[in-house]
Amino acid sequence: AQKVTQAQTEISVVEKEDVTLDCVYETRDTTYYLFWYKQPPSGELVFLIRRNSFDEQNEISGRYSWNFQKSTSSFNFTITASQVVDSAVYFCALSGGGGADGLTFGKGTHLIIQP
Amino acid sequence: EADIYQTPRYLVIGTGKKITLECSQTMGHDKMYWYQQDPGMELHLIHYSYGVNSTEKGDLSSESTVSRIRTEHFPLTLESARPSHTSQYLCASSEISFSGANVLTFGAGSRLTVL
Repeated sequence: AQKVTQAQTEISVVEKEDVTLDCVYETRDTTYYLFWYKQPPSGELVFLIRRNSFDEQNEISGRYSWNFQKSTSSFNFTITASQVVDSAVYFCALSGGGGADGLTFGKGTHLIIQP
Repeated sequence: EADIYQTPRYLVIGTGKKITLECSQTMGHDKMYWYQQDPGMELHLIHYSYGVNSTEKGDLSSESTVSRIRTEHFPLTLESARPSHTSQYLCASSEISFSGANVLTFGAGSRLTVL
């Protein structure tokens, strides 16, 4: 069975601080995909990134960066110089290979950026 | 501009009422999903569909039912709503891929409150 653990239920930081959201996953699949989604107060989940299990390169997109470490089954997400607009719930998710039936989500981390 | 639409966004009804949550997508995606999001934020897959006339139950048992008569439409129905059905319901869609690489596109959600 697949499992995604986001141990941080809520994080509160002051604007401009860097913040890292942790994600640890479990799967028996050798091919799998990891995702991060953002859920702002409006409710819609917004796709941020997808990473496959064979690509361990870290990725940077503006103030966002992702650190994928297969050895520790982690896919952490860092926001640099946080802004109030980054306040949202962030979900890490896992998809197995072979026509997976949707994504397995973590419980989410509620990120609060205080001005 | 949203490519997947959910109505109603908010619904407050009494116990025993029948309700249908609508979900439509304009992307021509074959695969569609319903997730239930509890107040603790966790997302659970309750239904999915591979295409017209295909419906499957997800990981979380649900008293709701779904239908897929048209590719773009995937409504969810509760025959007799109860307070335990109070939740946010999120609809999503994706292309069919057997690699598990699908990016799900989500609607804004329907927040249901049963009194």
